[in-house]
This record gives sequence, C-alpha cells and structure tokens, in this order.
Amino acid sequence: SQKIEQNSEALNIQEGKTATLTCNYTNYSPAYLQWYRQDPGRGPVFLLLIRENEKEKRKERLKVTFDTTLKQSLFHITASQPADSATYLCALTSGGYNKLIFGAGTRLAVHP
Amino acid sequence: SAVISQKPSRDICQRGTSLTIQCQVDSQVTMMFWYRQQPGQSLTLIATANQGSEATYESGFVIDKFPISRPNLTFSTLTVSNMSPEDSSIYLCSVISREGGEAFFGQGTRLTVV
Repeated sequence: SQKIEQNSEALNIQEGKTATLTCNYTNYSPAYLQWYRQDPGRGPVFLLLIRENEKEKRKERLKVTFDTTLKQSLFHITASQPADSATYLCALTSGGYNKLIFGAGTRLAVHP
Repeated sequence: SAVISQKPSRDICQRGTSLTIQCQVDSQVTMMFWYRQQPGQSLTLIATANQGSEATYESGFVIDKFPISRPNLTFSTLTVSNMSPEDSSIYLCSVISREGGEAFFGQGTRLTVV
C-alpha cells in the first residue's frame, strides 16, 4: 500500500542550528514532492516544490532534496529561529489530476 | 496564487444535525479538494469536487455522509450529515495552482459535535 512517513516525534533544536526533517514514501512514483508549513488552527501554507528530475531546491533559508532512488526527501531550515516553530508536512501527488496526499507532519520547536 | 474564503470558521453542533461548509475562490478552478484533519493528525482527503459532475470520494468517505456541491468554477460546499462526536475535526478546502502545482487552503472550519 502507499505510504508517506514523517518522523512523528517532535524535533527540538536550538536557535541558529539547522533543522533537518525527513519524508519517506513507498509505492508512489510522484512527479513532484512538496513541503508545507502548518501553524496551530491554520491551513497549511506552501513552502517548496521539487520535481523528480531535480536533486535540490533552495529558497532563502530553506533547502529541499529529493532522492527518487531512496524514495526520500530531506527538508532543511538553516539558521533556525523560534518563528520557524510549526508543523511541517510533506505531500505527494497521486492520480492524474494532481491530487495531493499528505504525510502526518513533523512538529519543529526552535528554542531561544 | 489563489485566495480561498471558507466559512464558518468554527461551529459547535448537536449530534444528529448537519453542517454545510462553504468555500469561495477568487479565481476559476477546475477542481476543488476537501480535506479533514482530526485532532493531532494530518490531512486526509475526503473528495475531489469537479464542476458539472459528481464529486469523487476517497476510500472510507461516502456521498450520503459528505454530500458536496460544485455549482460553478469558484464555489463549493461540503455538508457533514447526521453528525456524531467522531466528526469533530477541522475541515479544509483546497485548490491547486495551475502554474506550479502548489496547493492553497482555506482557513479551515473547526467543527465540534456535542
């Protein structure tokens, strides 16, 4: 069966360090993979999209890698700040019309 | 990008009643997606709403429980019928950008069934 796995345990890091979150998937062949941020009581907000033929994508302090052989994506936040504290979700497309399926999310807490 | 207005933002309902959630998009879109997010969980896709045809439901969700309307390319409703406490969740509507594939979400409806 198809699965998207993210570390369900919260990730606690010190301000200024790099946070690394993992997304693994099985039985998917996604054309692209996306990362979202979700704050409590709000809908997810899009952060980055990486295509199957791209190995790495950057946006400001964010970096995403995509390894289709390992079926894994890593999401990095460099120079982390307390304002980065949130739940981060990875999402894959499924079906011919870009239906998005989400992982369970990883909660990140950045401590001053 | 797309801006989605979703209402109500929250409601407390009696079991056995129904609630209709509305989503209005600021641009025309072919498909709208309805998700449920139970407390502490991730988003689960309920159904895909196409204009002019019946919605396509995911495994575990049925039309009698979650009827959907899609009268035009900018609007959709999801009804949660015959509610029980297990239906207490956040319900979100979403559209996908034509250009980039990223999804945009409404602000969500926090439903509590008592």
